[in-house]
Amino acid sequence: KAGVTQTPRYLIKTRGQQVTLSCSPISGHRSVSWYQQTPGQGLQFLFEYFSETQRNKGNFPGRFSGRQFSNSRSEMNVSTLELGDSALYLCASSRTSEGETQYFGPGTRLLVL
Amino acid sequence: QKEVEQNSGPLSVPEGAIASLNCTYSDRVSQSFFWYRQYSGKSPELIMSIYSNGDKEDGRFTAQLNKASQYVSLLIRDSQPSDSATYLCAFKPGGYNKLIFGAGTRLAVHP
Repeated sequence: KAGVTQTPRYLIKTRGQQVTLSCSPISGHRSVSWYQQTPGQGLQFLFEYFSETQRNKGNFPGRFSGRQFSNSRSEMNVSTLELGDSALYLCASSRTSEGETQYFGPGTRLLVL
Repeated sequence: QKEVEQNSGPLSVPEGAIASLNCTYSDRVSQSFFWYRQYSGKSPELIMSIYSNGDKEDGRFTAQLNKASQYVSLLIRDSQPSDSATYLCAFKPGGYNKLIFGAGTRLAVHP
């Protein structure tokens, strides 16, 4: 079974731009969660989508948003990029939204200049 | 107080030794606990999940959970240089499908 895939793998943007990242979960997984990893803050939860609905949200500003499609694929968007948004963005999928193990994709490394 | 506390290391052990990684967490109602391994520049990969008090063994890895003490640990037997990585402890707060991670412990296994 194929794992979680994320595109693009690397991205360079400038301050003020916006970016959209994509995640395809493992086949049959309906929950997709997004995390941000930085050297200073570690791995932090952004939000979770299940059946096209945002179920949980972390403590991030409204510039960070996401959505999920009927095929469980998910996108996250960051508007008005700031230097501090440079990070590894990780997507994780699980079968359901209940205590299931989450499996991570390879991540998208975003650099904001 | 951080939700998950881990010693950042580095923890240095010789090849063939037992590496012991520890983690404490703050959520008393959490039922799900996880250990992930992350190599430099890569994404986290699951090593073990544990839901009940006691020990859970998988190959060279043993996870131990003590909910009363809010403590979870990971033992790596016969450590290999390929085990050198950052080990992340995580839990799911009760009722939420999100992982709360510790800062990770860097393990270095030297030949």
